[in-house]
Amino acid sequence: GQNIDQPTEMTATEGAIVQINCTYQTSGFNGLFWYQQHAGEAPTFLSYNVLDGLEEKGRFSSFLSRSKGYSYLLLKELQMKDSASYLCAVRDDQTGANNLFFGTGTRLTVIP
Amino acid sequence: DGGITQSPKYLFRKEGQNVTLSCEQNLNHDAMYWYRQDPGQGLRLIYYSQIVNDFQKGDIAEGYSVSREKKESFPLTVTSAQKNPTAFYLCASSIRTGGSYEQYFGPGTRLTVT
Repeated sequence: GQNIDQPTEMTATEGAIVQINCTYQTSGFNGLFWYQQHAGEAPTFLSYNVLDGLEEKGRFSSFLSRSKGYSYLLLKELQMKDSASYLCAVRDDQTGANNLFFGTGTRLTVIP
Repeated sequence: DGGITQSPKYLFRKEGQNVTLSCEQNLNHDAMYWYRQDPGQGLRLIYYSQIVNDFQKGDIAEGYSVSREKKESFPLTVTSAQKNPTAFYLCASSIRTGGSYEQYFGPGTRLTVT
């Protein structure tokens, strides 16, 4: 089976840096995605990691350690519009379907 | 504009009625998916389709049915057999399954059954 854990809620200050962690246990790991979801809206793709290391994309970076079953999403220079839920999703190829399994999401609130 | 459309955004039904949620994409993607999102839970996969005229059950397929007669369309029927149908339903598509292909999501349909 799959087990994906993220903190439920986080609060950070505008202009600061925040790190959202995700730990996972899965039988056939084949990649990890981060999505952003504003309340009542569709999730939008942020990043993809399949090899160990850091992927940087503007203000957002994502890190993966496959041996530790661990990833984090780093948001720099926080803006008010970054208030949203951040979803960690693991691709599992155990069944051959390569489907995504989502964590419950971390609701980030950015305060002035 | 390329994208995924779901309609309607809000849907209300009486218990015991079947209801069909629409999902259309013009991204020319082969794979399409239906997820359900409930408060405090992650997205859960209901059904997915890798090609036209083929679909597979996800983790929570009971009480749901789908069809994939056209590449662009993947409607989901919530039947009266689904015990807790009230939820936010999200449709997604990707070029194909696997690899680094991210899934693109539609705006969702919030279904309320009373």
